[in-house]
Amino acid sequence: DSGVTQTPKHLITATGQRVTLRCSPRSGDLSVYWYQQSLDQGLQFLIQYYNGEERAKGNILERFSAQQFPDLHSELNLSSLELGDSALYFCASSSEAYSNQPQHFGDGTRLSIL
Amino acid sequence: GESVGLHLPTLSVQEGDNSIINCAYSNSASDYFIWYKQESGKGPQFIIDIRSNMDKRQGQRVTVLLNKTVKHLSLQIAATQPGDSAVYFCAEKARSGGGADGLTFGKGTHLIIQP
Repeated sequence: DSGVTQTPKHLITATGQRVTLRCSPRSGDLSVYWYQQSLDQGLQFLIQYYNGEERAKGNILERFSAQQFPDLHSELNLSSLELGDSALYFCASSSEAYSNQPQHFGDGTRLSIL
Repeated sequence: GESVGLHLPTLSVQEGDNSIINCAYSNSASDYFIWYKQESGKGPQFIIDIRSNMDKRQGQRVTVLLNKTVKHLSLQIAATQPGDSAVYFCAEKARSGGGADGLTFGKGTHLIIQP
């Protein structure tokens, strides 16, 4: 158990809809990362937050957004969903933003777009 | 952009043998490397990491070797067990000036343990 909690585990919705994925980082971790895993693109970094502030952006679409709350949990919002957004979405956390520390992953949310 | 890649998509080894999983990276600015193990239905699990100022690091039954000259990373698993069956990913993190970045992952190697 990594200590990172993601909900829900599975999400099924339709094209055009909007969903919110939730992540609780490990106790004491200030940095949260979101990744997308698909068969064709593999694991791709989307965005990072550190102590409530956006720190880095990766291959995140404009239809996607995230935020980190004062209690350090994070939410990833996906809107105007398309079939190609079907994927596993992982959250990871680490203790610091700049130092080279391992990121610990949750078990993901599987998003299926019908 | 630059990315981390793996040489073999599938590696089959006999139980009890040693396994070696390879990874090539192309970003010379990377200064931190991690190996992850992912089992079906789970998220990537941290195995071992290494910083660019090191050539070798050992953990319990695992060793990571870093060759910066040829931009090559390997994971050695000693005395492979059935529980080692999984997909293994290498990941790199580039040295950044403005802030921390996310990890760049390779495509993964599926390790299969034969009884």
